Amino acid sequence: DADVTQTPRNRITKTGKRIMLECSQTKGHDRMYWYRQDPGLGLRLIYYSFDVKDINKGEISDGYSVSRQAQAKFSLSLESAIPNQTALYFCATSDRFATGELFFGEGSRLTVL
Amino acid sequence: AQRVTQPEKLLSVFKGAPVELKCNYSYSGSPELFWYVQYSRQRLQLLLRHISRESIKGFTADLNKGETSFHLKKPFAQEEDSAMYYCALSGLHMDTGRRALTFGSGTRLQVQP
Repeated sequence: DADVTQTPRNRITKTGKRIMLECSQTKGHDRMYWYRQDPGLGLRLIYYSFDVKDINKGEISDGYSVSRQAQAKFSLSLESAIPNQTALYFCATSDRFATGELFFGEGSRLTVL
Repeated sequence: AQRVTQPEKLLSVFKGAPVELKCNYSYSGSPELFWYVQYSRQRLQLLLRHISRESIKGFTADLNKGETSFHLKKPFAQEEDSAMYYCALSGLHMDTGRRALTFGSGTRLQVQP
């Protein structure tokens, strides 16, 4: 089945370390997204990409960067992790003709000590 | 800026009781609204979209532009409806000119036997 896969699923790291979360998809979708989920705050958009050369900041992009290495791959990096970046991170994809229908990965739980 | 508000963090009802999950939005343009659901140990997934005017798993939602609301309703709750529900709005982000989903903070529905 076509899928959205996130790695790692769980990561514990220390303040100041560089972390990369990876997302790959076999759905053939053009658009990919990174969201962060925090209790009581819901999902907040970090970055999104409409194709390999089209990358856009979301509402909470500070402290994060992304790379769209190919249509199927979209990575999220924390250059210098801090404790308030502890959260559950979701990657999602959508077709260009149905941008409201997102297909989510299982999530990557990041803990920054 | 677009905004989605879900005022209730938790809604607890008994099986067979009616359910209404509230969602209000703020958006200057013509909104596209969605409800997403996350069941325990499952991925976040689309439940329904306003443009389809569909009923999924007995749930319906009507867009009320006058009240800027998109409440999710079900006449008779079932235990399997217990989940986290997110309202989402697809709107143009002014700084990028791109359309992306903005989520509310979510409401946890507990259906008791």
